[in-house]
Amino acid sequence: DAGVIQSPRHEVTEMGQEVTLRCKPISGHDYLFWYRQTMMRGLELLIYFNNNVPIDDSGMPEDRFSAKMPNASFSTLKIQPSEPRDSAVYFCASSTLAKRTLQETQYFGPGTRLLVL
Amino acid sequence: QKEVEQNSGPLSVPEGAIASLNCTYSDRGSQSFFWYRQYSGKSPELIMFIYSNGDKEDGRFTAQLNKASQYVSLLIRDSQPSDSATYLCAGLAGGTSYGKLTFGQGTILTVHP
Repeated sequence: DAGVIQSPRHEVTEMGQEVTLRCKPISGHDYLFWYRQTMMRGLELLIYFNNNVPIDDSGMPEDRFSAKMPNASFSTLKIQPSEPRDSAVYFCASSTLAKRTLQETQYFGPGTRLLVL
Repeated sequence: QKEVEQNSGPLSVPEGAIASLNCTYSDRGSQSFFWYRQYSGKSPELIMFIYSNGDKEDGRFTAQLNKASQYVSLLIRDSQPSDSATYLCAGLAGGTSYGKLTFGQGTILTVHP
């Protein structure tokens, strides 16, 4: 398996522009997570899906952020309009939960490094 | 107060020594705990998970869980320079939030030759 795939790997944009980050989870995984990591705030959960349905979006910072999962193999995180304070590394992770086994593990993608100027 | 707190670090140990990383958590509903390692510029990767009280050993790594004290630790024996990384402790929420990991802020470990 190729693991979790994210694109783009790097994104540089100007304030006010729309940014779309993409994620393909590991095949067969029914949970998908979007995280943001900064030096100041560490690794923060933004939103997660179970079977394509958003379960908890309490970490989404504001209405400028939105996430969708139209099918089991694709998810997007959109920022519109982007601001310099959105600059961070955004990780997508996927997992499948089977109690008491290794399959509780979340596998992270390589991340998208976003810089908003 | 963060739900998962790690000893702030950074932690520096000589090669061959034991590195001890500690974590406390506030959510008594948390079922399982995970230690992730993150090299600079890379994504987190799982090194250990534990869900029962006591110790769990995997090679040079030992995870310890004490649910009564709400305490999780990771010991790295015979530390190597390649162990230098940020170590993230995470708790898996129970109940209706099952599936959600809450991460600590991480501890930077440096193993010097």
